[in-house]
Amino acid sequence: DSGVTQTPKHLITATGQRVTLRCSPRSGDLSVYWYQQSLDQGLQFLIQYYNGEERAKGNILERFSAQQFPDLHSELNLSSLELGDSALYFCASSKTGTLSSGANVLTFGAGSRLTVL
Amino acid sequence: AQTVTQSQPEMSVQEAETVTLSCTYDTSESDYYLFWYKQPPSRQMILVIRQEAYKQQNATENRFSVNFQKAAKSFSLKISDSQLGDAAMYFCAYRSANAGGTSYGKLTFGQGTILTVHP
Repeated sequence: DSGVTQTPKHLITATGQRVTLRCSPRSGDLSVYWYQQSLDQGLQFLIQYYNGEERAKGNILERFSAQQFPDLHSELNLSSLELGDSALYFCASSKTGTLSSGANVLTFGAGSRLTVL
Repeated sequence: AQTVTQSQPEMSVQEAETVTLSCTYDTSESDYYLFWYKQPPSRQMILVIRQEAYKQQNATENRFSVNFQKAAKSFSLKISDSQLGDAAMYFCAYRSANAGGTSYGKLTFGQGTILTVHP
């Protein structure tokens, strides 16, 4: 158990629908990251939050949105789903500090597998 | 923007032998971190080893070691005494250490190398 909790583990839905993926970071980690892993595109960075604020944005579609709440958990909302959105969605968290202290290392959750039919 | 390239889509090794996975990266930054992550069939992303760019000494973690060549922008992973449990997809990743930069914090991954271990 990495300490990063993602729910649900599996999700099957239809095109056009909306889903929400949830992530609880490791205790003490203020940064949360979302990544998408599909077969043909590897691991793509979507978005990063730090202590509730958006910190960096990657290749996140306009149909996708995310937020980090005061208790530091984060949600990734995917709407108007398309077949191509089928992927494994990872959440990761990290704390600030020195690398030798274990900070600045991303710890990943087990992922949420989304299948769009 | 930083890029990470893993030129070996697949590699194989005999159990107990040594294998080296290649990784090159492109960056204009001088301070950064490099990582190798392992993704077994469970799909969990597991940190294998990490390296700070300012450190000349190559990182080691038990049977795993790296060959970090900063000038050549190369960061290869050596697995010694390979075990069946080492079979996985291995990802090389880059992270900026520039706290003021827009890319700070996020990991940029290579495309991965599938490692097969033969008994």
